[in-house]
Amino acid sequence: EDQVTQSPEALRLQEGESSSLNCSYTVSGLRGLFWYRQDPGKGPEFLFTLYSAGEEKEKERLKATLTKKESFLHITAPKPEDSATYLCAVQAILTMENNDMRFGAGTRLTVKP
Amino acid sequence: DVKVTQSSRYLVKRTGEKVFLECVQDMDHENMFWYRQDPGLGLRLIYFSYDVKMKEKGDIPEGYSVSREKKERFSLILESASTNQTSMYLCASSLSGIYSNQPQHFGDGTRLSIL
Repeated sequence: EDQVTQSPEALRLQEGESSSLNCSYTVSGLRGLFWYRQDPGKGPEFLFTLYSAGEEKEKERLKATLTKKESFLHITAPKPEDSATYLCAVQAILTMENNDMRFGAGTRLTVKP
Repeated sequence: DVKVTQSSRYLVKRTGEKVFLECVQDMDHENMFWYRQDPGLGLRLIYFSYDVKMKEKGDIPEGYSVSREKKERFSLILESASTNQTSMYLCASSLSGIYSNQPQHFGDGTRLSIL
């Protein structure tokens, strides 16, 4: 069964203190790994898609990387506005064209000024 | 930009009521999804649809049904609401076919309370 585990559950950083969030996955052939950001009371907002091991994507202070077993979301010099819950999701290659995804439980990031 | 609109941000209903949650997307996406999100459990798929009038059960379909009469609209129905269906409900849409590895795009959710 496809599984996605995110760690840590919660992370508190000082402004400017870089860190990484982890997403470990078990899937029968990876079609895509997706990172989302979710603010309180809002729906998830798409950040990145990674398709194969070794791939990296960047957006402002965020950088996502992918290996065959896990993905990291690196946050460089975070600011308070980066505070949110970050969700990871995987799509298996054997799913139909319906784009079914499995989501992790998320990491709640708080950045203190 | 993709826009997924859910009809209500907050909804309060009583046990036993029939509840309708509506979702509309404006990007001509084939796939549409309904999830519920609960603390510590993440997003769980209730139902999805890959075409008009087509539907497939997700992981937790019990107590729910769906309707997709038009491509842009996907409705979630709680047949007889119960307190354990109090949750945040999220609708999403995505492309299909050769674009099936594209991300899902979400609405802002409906926070449903069943009293």
